[in-house]
Amino acid sequence: EADIYQTPRYLVIGTGKKITLECSQTMGHDKMYWYQQDPGMELHLIHYSYGVNSTEKGDLSSESTVSRIRTEHFPLTLESARPSHTSQYLCASSEFGGRANEKLFFGSGTQLSVL
Amino acid sequence: GENVEQHPSTLSVQEGDSAVIKCTYSDSASNYFPWYKQELGKRPQLIIDIRSNVGEKKDQRIAVTLNKTAKHFSLHITETQPEDSAVYFCAARGGWDMRFGAGTRLTVKP
Repeated sequence: EADIYQTPRYLVIGTGKKITLECSQTMGHDKMYWYQQDPGMELHLIHYSYGVNSTEKGDLSSESTVSRIRTEHFPLTLESARPSHTSQYLCASSEFGGRANEKLFFGSGTQLSVL
Repeated sequence: GENVEQHPSTLSVQEGDSAVIKCTYSDSASNYFPWYKQELGKRPQLIIDIRSNVGEKKDQRIAVTLNKTAKHFSLHITETQPEDSAVYFCAARGGWDMRFGAGTRLTVKP
């Protein structure tokens, strides 16, 4: 079944560790996004990508990196995790419709806790 | 980049009443305004959207209105039911990215 998958579902790590959050979609979508959802609900854009070898920064991009080597895969890497990174991370994908409607499909999220 | 503000942050209504959530956006070039519903522990899901060349759109009990001049758009839910209880997000696409409002937690009391 076509879907968007995130792993791990939960992750607890210590400060200073390097981590990669995985996101894969089998929907054939060109565009992918990473959002951070804080306990107060708000969704903050971290990075997005139009397609292979294209990545763009959002508002919270300074402490993380992404890559888009394959259409279906869009991993997010935190080089040095801090307690302030404790949050839920949501990956999303959409058909790159240019100026048309753009429906985002979200993954189930990764709940990250940094001790 | 685009900045989206959403109000109220929480909203409690009696079953059967109407609920209205309002959003404003900053980028006059934004052309697409979706609304997402996130139930507890679940993924956000698109419930309705509107493009900048349309003033109003309805889908059963939900409707969205857009005022381009004032740069604001609203979600209207009529005849609310307990299953409407969730967090609702507005969003705007300014340029090529999608920015979300801070969310509204709607509670429908039976």
